[in-house]
Amino acid sequence: DADVTQTPRNRITKTGKRIMLECSQTKGHDRMYWYRQDPGLGLRLIYYSFDVKDINKGEISDGYSVSRQAQAKFSLSLESAIPNQTALYFCATSDSGTAFGGYTFGSGTRLTVV
Amino acid sequence: DAKTTQPPSMDCAEGRAANLPCNHSTISGNEYVYWYRQIHSQGPQYIIHGLKNNETNEMASLIITEDRKSSTLILPHATLRDTAVYYCIVRVYNTDKLIFGTGTRLQVFP
Repeated sequence: DADVTQTPRNRITKTGKRIMLECSQTKGHDRMYWYRQDPGLGLRLIYYSFDVKDINKGEISDGYSVSRQAQAKFSLSLESAIPNQTALYFCATSDSGTAFGGYTFGSGTRLTVV
Repeated sequence: DAKTTQPPSMDCAEGRAANLPCNHSTISGNEYVYWYRQIHSQGPQYIIHGLKNNETNEMASLIITEDRKSSTLILPHATLRDTAVYYCIVRVYNTDKLIFGTGTRLQVFP
């Protein structure tokens, strides 16, 4: 099983619909992140969480919300999807301990809003 | 966090060393240099990071200039599987977030 699992892998939804993207991890990391990637561009940070009680906005949080249900689960919601939210979404985790080895990313969710 | 500048694309022959440059002239003394790569549309993969000393692991070597204003990622024997977008990122160690630029698209050819 993957260390960081994202569901669904692909999703097509209609404008105005609410949609949730889910992320779960088995790394035991306390920090989790949601990134968005548009074609030909780098990743942009949407939200991040240092622990269950700590949620922070990233560069582009408008139109998104998140929930950290447990240390291992971090979900991203689009309350009312719009076409310019069509993108590839990545969840990532990292360790806050001293043995920092980088971020671990999931395989991504490709979201299309029509 | 300091900004980085990378060439948009590079080519490398299979079996040769791939040297990917990164400019980070505004880097602060407590900022590390990180390298990630993204193969096709997969999640980015951590490669290596360093502060001021050169670093080597099983994937690559990282050479940081003495003034820390630039660095080079070296893939010693590039393979076709190394074709990817490579991101150079600087940030304060163990702080909250990575800020990605547009990276360098490395094409390894036979």
